[in-house]
Amino acid sequence: AQKITQTQPGMFVQEKEAVTLDCTYDTSDQSYGLFWYKQPSSGEMIFLIYQGSYDEQNATEGRYSLNFQKARKSANLVISASQLGDSAMYFCAMREGSGTGRRALTFGSGTRLQVQP
Amino acid sequence: GAGVSQSPSNKVTEKGKDVELRCDPISGHTALYWYRQSLGQGLEFLIYFQGNSAPDKSGLPSDRFSAERTGGSVSTLTIQRTQQEDSAVYLCASSLLAHQPQHFGDGTRLSIL
Repeated sequence: AQKITQTQPGMFVQEKEAVTLDCTYDTSDQSYGLFWYKQPSSGEMIFLIYQGSYDEQNATEGRYSLNFQKARKSANLVISASQLGDSAMYFCAMREGSGTGRRALTFGSGTRLQVQP
Repeated sequence: GAGVSQSPSNKVTEKGKDVELRCDPISGHTALYWYRQSLGQGLEFLIYFQGNSAPDKSGLPSDRFSAERTGGSVSTLTIQRTQQEDSAVYLCASSLLAHQPQHFGDGTRLSIL
């Protein structure tokens, strides 16, 4: 079974509008972390936002917010006031385990966002 | 440097040759990871180093792949007897502590002819 599912291979949004990128996850761990990364066409992976499984508040970082619905196992990324520079591939990722468990990330297949002027 | 540094940025080699990819993590970061990004496979975990602990090699696809981390800092990923399916972008990431966000380098694009 897929641990991270991103069901939108591609999304379009008008400049200045908000957009939601979907991410659902599957884990039996109680302690886990959810991450979103942006990968522009230049290739670098840029960390955007983090949500811990025990965090009660949804994470926010500037124009990025994470809509965390634990019971539904979803961690959608909301980008407000889209900019042309937001056009990129977006990856949702999960780190499972706690203590000395493995810390590697499991990535979804990504969503390509295109912001239109 | 301020970020994770990887070299070379591009590597083209012939099938059967050995290659070495280098990663210089952010200073002070105790955790270091290697991932591979290829078309059709997405991002795959390869290996993870944490301090002086034994590395987690569970993601290495075959025994042709190995990695080491010297002095808790620089890491080298070695691929022996390269195959065409090894063509991919190899990404290195580091984090201050194991549970914190990982910061990625720009990657090494490996092409096997």
